[in-house]
Amino acid sequence: EAGVVQSPRYKIIEKKQPVAFWCNPISGHNTLYWYLQNLGQGPELLIRYENEEAVDDSQLPKDRFSAERLKGVDSTLKIQPAELGDSAVYLCASSHRGWPQETQYFGPGTRLLVL
Amino acid sequence: TQLLEQSPQFLSIQEGENLTVYCNSSSVFSSLQWYRQEPGEGPVLLVTVVTGGEVKKLKRLTFQFGDARKDSSLHITAAQPGDTGLYLCAGGGEKLTFGTGTRLTIIP
Repeated sequence: EAGVVQSPRYKIIEKKQPVAFWCNPISGHNTLYWYLQNLGQGPELLIRYENEEAVDDSQLPKDRFSAERLKGVDSTLKIQPAELGDSAVYLCASSHRGWPQETQYFGPGTRLLVL
Repeated sequence: TQLLEQSPQFLSIQEGENLTVYCNSSSVFSSLQWYRQEPGEGPVLLVTVVTGGEVKKLKRLTFQFGDARKDSSLHITAAQPGDTGLYLCAGGGEKLTFGTGTRLTIIP
């Protein structure tokens, strides 16, 4: 069974430019998460989807970050405009029924560097 | 905000030695998970503990959940180079709260 797929794996952009990350969860998983992970730290939740509905976006900086999960499958996370402090790894995870009942499976992440 | 502090932050030991990593919080969690993350990859779940005082073993790894469900420990016996990685604890509740991480390096 394929795991969580993320693309691109790496992205280098200049500050003030837009950037988008894509995530394809494990087939059949209705819950999708986006996390931000700074170097050497634990992941921090940005947004959680149950199917196509964002049920927890309290930690998403909505002035520059946006996310969507059309049709309740793939998801896109966008930053516009990017700032130097956005340099981090952006992880996507999915689970079958949502925390705390099920295990979250993480993708490899997208490593973003903002210059 | 629930915080999970892990100690030590960095640990480098020789192959064959034993080690313990700690995860502490002032908050009570309904469950506690441990993950290992290798460079360039996402975290991979090792274990979930849900009962205060619970002990689980996974080959050379022993996980314990504190009686009050505020802390946890991970003990590795006879560490091997393949154990190298970032170890993360994560507390369960309405959402998963990750700890600060312990970067472990096993020297051959």
